[in-house]
This record gives sequence, C-alpha cells and structure tokens, in this order.
Amino acid sequence: EIVLTQSPATLSLSPGERATLSCRASQSVSSYLAWYQQKPGQAPRLLIYDVSNRATGIPARFSGSGSGTDFTLTISSLEPEDFALYYCQQRNNWPPTFGQGTRLEIK
Amino acid sequence: EAQLVESGGGLIQPGGSLRLSCAASGFIVSSNYMSWVRQSPGKGLEWVSLIYIDANTYYADSVKGRFTVSRDNSRNTLYLQMNNLRAEDTAVYYCAREIKHLEAGAYWFDPWGQGTLVTVSS
Repeated sequence: EIVLTQSPATLSLSPGERATLSCRASQSVSSYLAWYQQKPGQAPRLLIYDVSNRATGIPARFSGSGSGTDFTLTISSLEPEDFALYYCQQRNNWPPTFGQGTRLEIK
Repeated sequence: EAQLVESGGGLIQPGGSLRLSCAASGFIVSSNYMSWVRQSPGKGLEWVSLIYIDANTYYADSVKGRFTVSRDNSRNTLYLQMNNLRAEDTAVYYCAREIKHLEAGAYWFDPWGQGTLVTVSS
C-alpha cells in the first residue's frame, strides 16, 4: 500500500502568515490526491481534491499543487479558524490511504 | 445538503460484536459509493470498508472476515457489523460518502458523519 508522509508534524505560525504543508507519497499517485481539514471534536472535511481543486465552500486562500509523489497545501494568509489538523489522502492505488497529519497551531 | 449521522458505538469486550448505523439525508445511499473510515490515536485515519452501488463490498485486510458492510435502502442507512472485536479496533468510526467531483478525477470522502466511538476493552 502507498505510504503518505506529511511534514512537518507540527507547524507553528501566526494569523496572516503563509502556511506550506507537504505530503510525499512512497510511489506515484498521479493526480489522485486530496487534503482534509479536521478541527477538534469534528469529522474531517474535504478541502482540496484531485490535487488542486477546492471543494464547495472552501475559501480561495487554500490551494493545492504537485504531481506524482510530492504535493503541497498552501494557505496564503492564515485566519484564526484555519488552525487545525490537515491530512492528505491518495486514491490512485488500493487501498485508499491517509498521511499521519500536520497540526497547524497558533504561534 | 448531504448529511450523515452515525450511531451504535460503545464499550464492548474483546471478542464481542457491535453494529454501527449511519443514517443519510439529502442524498440516496444506494446511489452512491459509501465507506467506513476509522480514526485511532495510534494509527491515524484508516479506511475500513466500502460498498459500491452494485452492492459489491471491499474491506481492509485488518478487518476482513470480521466486519460486514451493508445498507437498508428503505431506511437510507448504512451499517457496519463488527464481530470478534479486538483492542486494536478501538477508534472513532466515521461513515462517508464517496463522490467524484471531476469526470476524470477520483472518488473522495465527502461528506463525513460526526463519528461514533467504539472502545474494545475488558
């Protein structure tokens, strides 16, 4: 199965700063990668699908990029509500797998 | 708006059985791919099972032979029957619809239910 490695494990930034989260796959996942956001006590929510497409209702400050094995989620200017856990997930190979997550915390 | 509500979790002894339910609203369960995903502190997010529109089912190796996914079309509800439970099955269990947003894209989990906690312990 494909292993997704997210870095860093924890990212400490201030509101207004730019956040860059990384997801690396153990083998190519083509363009079949998504990002989810999870807040405490809540279920994950789809943010970005097929590498770079924002899900319904997701603000334009969220963007995704990459291909093959290296992917990035960028939040251009952090809002207070953006501090949360972020997971990447691949659907190119069976079974679908998730990264271990990056915790975005307020500095 | 598509929504999912899970129920049925609880504390169960090793070797016991539990059935989780996932009631859907805003869409038809039988017209969609539906999955169960679990989240535990030690293993993060783990896909568990999938039921296709044609009712074919698929399972993670870790639960194959012990878990069964099914649906009741009249109740628009998804189920997960969990037998022979082990301590490592302890997790929050989420149901999720799988949906393809792009014709050439993949299926993604959207939305998710709020989750139900299963604790396997003596």
